[in-house]
Amino acid sequence: GAVVSQHPSWVICKSGTSVKIECRSLDFQATTMFWYRQFPKQSLMLMATSNEGSKATYEQGVEKDKFLINHASLTLSTLTVTSAHPEDSSFYICSARSGSSYEQYFGPGTRLTVT
Amino acid sequence: KQEVTQIPAALSVPEGENLVLNCSFTDSAIYNLQWFRQDPGKGLTSLLLIQSSQREQTSGRLNASLDKSSGRSTLYIAASQPGDSATYLCAVNTNAGKSTFGDGTTLTVKP
Repeated sequence: GAVVSQHPSWVICKSGTSVKIECRSLDFQATTMFWYRQFPKQSLMLMATSNEGSKATYEQGVEKDKFLINHASLTLSTLTVTSAHPEDSSFYICSARSGSSYEQYFGPGTRLTVT
Repeated sequence: KQEVTQIPAALSVPEGENLVLNCSFTDSAIYNLQWFRQDPGKGLTSLLLIQSSQREQTSGRLNASLDKSSGRSTLYIAASQPGDSATYLCAVNTNAGKSTFGDGTTLTVKP
């Protein structure tokens, strides 16, 4: 099956710094990738849709200047959390869509802790 | 706006029981519906994908049904095992690829 990886799997950073999370589709090309965040004991909330070669589309309430998304190739999308604050601590998960079935394949997630 | 509800929120059963997890959605204009499994602190594993034109999909001990007109899907797990313990999420997808997730059902299968 299709494999999506994320790096790093966990990261701790200090308040005010920026953190970059990578999402890669390992064995297929993904024209569209999605970024979600998940707070403890809650479901996934879509943050943004990332299309290769174009600007990301952000969901209502998500600050695009704080969560910078780049989808420079068909196998890589990055999420940069800028000037991170403790309230940004969360589980960030990406997914990549393959073909026309719209089946999504999810990465293992990145746990971000901001101290 | 699409809303997805999963009932029950938590379920505990003895090993060997058959069980049903429910997912309902408010907007029937969906492209497909996907069931996932999530283990604590981990990402999502896709279990079954049902296209809007399909009624059900089966994989091993899992069977998912879809009734688009009534906005419902069920995930049936046969002969449950302790290894099935996890949170099960359903996601409703539009043809633009956007997913709306339910809050999940946390399943515990006791040995």
